[in-house]
Amino acid sequence: AQRVTQPEKLLSVFKGAPVELKCNYSYSGSPELFWYVQYSRQRLQLLLRHISRESIKGFTADLNKGETSFHLKKPFAQEEDSAMYYCALSGRNTPLVFGKGTRLSVIA
Amino acid sequence: DTGVSQNPRHKITKRGQNVTFRCDPISEHNRLYWYRQTLGQGPEFLTYFQNEAQLEKSRLLSDRFSAERPKGSFSTLEIQRTEQGDSAMYLCASSLVRSRGLDGYTFGSGTRLTVV
Repeated sequence: AQRVTQPEKLLSVFKGAPVELKCNYSYSGSPELFWYVQYSRQRLQLLLRHISRESIKGFTADLNKGETSFHLKKPFAQEEDSAMYYCALSGRNTPLVFGKGTRLSVIA
Repeated sequence: DTGVSQNPRHKITKRGQNVTFRCDPISEHNRLYWYRQTLGQGPEFLTYFQNEAQLEKSRLLSDRFSAERPKGSFSTLEIQRTEQGDSAMYLCASSLVRSRGLDGYTFGSGTRLTVV
């Protein structure tokens, strides 16, 4: 079964501090992993996907198959990063399965 | 094309009534998905279409729920005999499946259903 676990419901950090949003997954094959973000009063949008190995808005995420993790990181948090973050997994040709989300609050 | 469009934005209905939601995906996208989201939870998969074919339905989807995508364009999600537990945000998303894999989903703003 596919499962995504985001252990933190809320993460509060000070502006300029590093951020790490944790995501662990369960899947027997080779998954595709994604991070989605939802800013206040906006729709859910794709932040990044592991296949593209890119950095978006200063965020990066590395797929660690040994630890079955896909943690989202940013070296210096900014106030505009405050949002709800969802980790999601897709197996081969299967719909996305989302975690419950982590609310990131960046304190000025 | 302004993205994925969902109507209505809000729906309040009495328990026992039927409701129907509409989703207009991005025109080039061949897949369309319905999700449900309740407070404190991530989006939960309900069903999805590739073109006009409904390929998968979640066990969450009771017999009171039905979805269609005639002609592979817009989709409707109908809930019959609504119950208070159906109150949620219903999200629609679309994506383009390529030979190299899945592109990210583009979500609509959702339809918030309140059953009173």
